[in-house]
Amino acid sequence: QLQLQESGPGLVKPSETLSLTCTVSGGSINSNNYYWGWIRQPPGKGLEWLGSFYYSGSTYYTPSLKSRLTISVDTSKNQFTLKLKSVTAADTAVYYCARQGLGVVWGQGMLVTVSS
Amino acid sequence: QAVVTQEPSLTVSPGGTVTLTCGPSTGAVTSGHYPYWFQQKPGQAPRTLIYDTSNKHSWTPARFSGSLLGGKAALTLSGAQPEDEAEYYCLLSYSDARVFGGGTKLTVL
Repeated sequence: QLQLQESGPGLVKPSETLSLTCTVSGGSINSNNYYWGWIRQPPGKGLEWLGSFYYSGSTYYTPSLKSRLTISVDTSKNQFTLKLKSVTAADTAVYYCARQGLGVVWGQGMLVTVSS
Repeated sequence: QAVVTQEPSLTVSPGGTVTLTCGPSTGAVTSGHYPYWFQQKPGQAPRTLIYDTSNKHSWTPARFSGSLLGGKAALTLSGAQPEDEAEYYCLLSYSDARVFGGGTKLTVL
């Protein structure tokens, strides 16, 4: 059964870089027909799709975050990583990693708070 | 980037039927947007109810169905149960983006 697990610091200082890793088990990131990506949800607010990549290498980012966001992949570890630069309090959210294709499989989510 | 709109809130009586809709700021939703519907309860991660317009997962209750209706994606709940009270989000796929709707808070009352 496919499982995704987010990990990383739960507290990040303003202006620093938020870095999270998603570890995939029960399936391969190299599987075709699936997109892998990151979604976030600020407290009490809706969902925002941040960015995704396809196993062939194509990656896209939501326009509002494109200048600050990088998603990278380590196929040897079956992991992918989100890096968000120059964070502010507005980046405080629950961050989910997910696989899209024939539905969306979600990680359990991880709260990241931006505060000094 | 497209803005995707959902009803902010809806109320349905137990046993009743309600339709939630999802539409972009411009144009109509087509099957090529591969509409998804998610249910989220407080403190939980969302879970997929419907994918690719009308496909259900094994865990999707039969009372939920997805369709295209009047240029929008639609989620119909027939025979609402108290446990269906939740936030519902749609997701539309574009060639270079994925965009969530703002969510519909469904109250069963």
